[in-house]
Amino acid sequence: GQQVMQIPQYQHVQEGEDFTTYCNSSTTLSNIQWYKQRPGGHPVFLIQLVKSGEVKKQKRLTFQFGEAKKNSSLHITATQTTDVGTYFCAASGSARQLTFGSGTQLTVLP
Amino acid sequence: KAGVTQTPRYLIKTRGQQVTLSCSPISGHRSVSWYQQTPGQGLQFLFEYFSETQRNKGNFPGRFSGRQFSNSRSEMNVSTLELGDSALYLCASRQGQGVPEAFFGQGTRLTVV
Repeated sequence: GQQVMQIPQYQHVQEGEDFTTYCNSSTTLSNIQWYKQRPGGHPVFLIQLVKSGEVKKQKRLTFQFGEAKKNSSLHITATQTTDVGTYFCAASGSARQLTFGSGTQLTVLP
Repeated sequence: KAGVTQTPRYLIKTRGQQVTLSCSPISGHRSVSWYQQTPGQGLQFLFEYFSETQRNKGNFPGRFSGRQFSNSRSEMNVSTLELGDSALYLCASRQGQGVPEAFFGQGTRLTVV
């Protein structure tokens, strides 16, 4: 089945610093989605990227889809304590099954 | 519009027992997927149902099974429970058209002792 690798697994940042998580696949992806799971909560959809080279922004969050549609990144500018949680990428292949990356757990130190 | 509802929220079972978890998707959503989440393992895909048919299946033993009813509600069953089955089981519903976003329930926290 399709696999997506996500790095880093953990990231500790000082409040105000930037944060980036990366998602990589060995195969071309039809699309990629990003989710956020707060501690004790459930994953919540953030965004979906479909086009090669696509860049989307949500306030301090910037999402990119690689030109070859094999990688994606989520960048948070000037992190805040409310950004704490685990960020997952998820991709679907021809079977339309959503496969999740292992997640990046973000800790923001005040 | 009600969200995805999973019951029960918490469950404690003994090794060897079986368990059934329930998921009611968002009204109008016909796709239901199940995931197992354990610390450090991310979200492991179990299976997906669409219009009462299993569409995809992950790499889990046959002890894990599921089904979907005509009203799109889904159940997941785990037989002969093992300690390693302790996890958060998440259900996600999607409309089923194209590759839409998944809406997750709060999950069922299963502890096997």
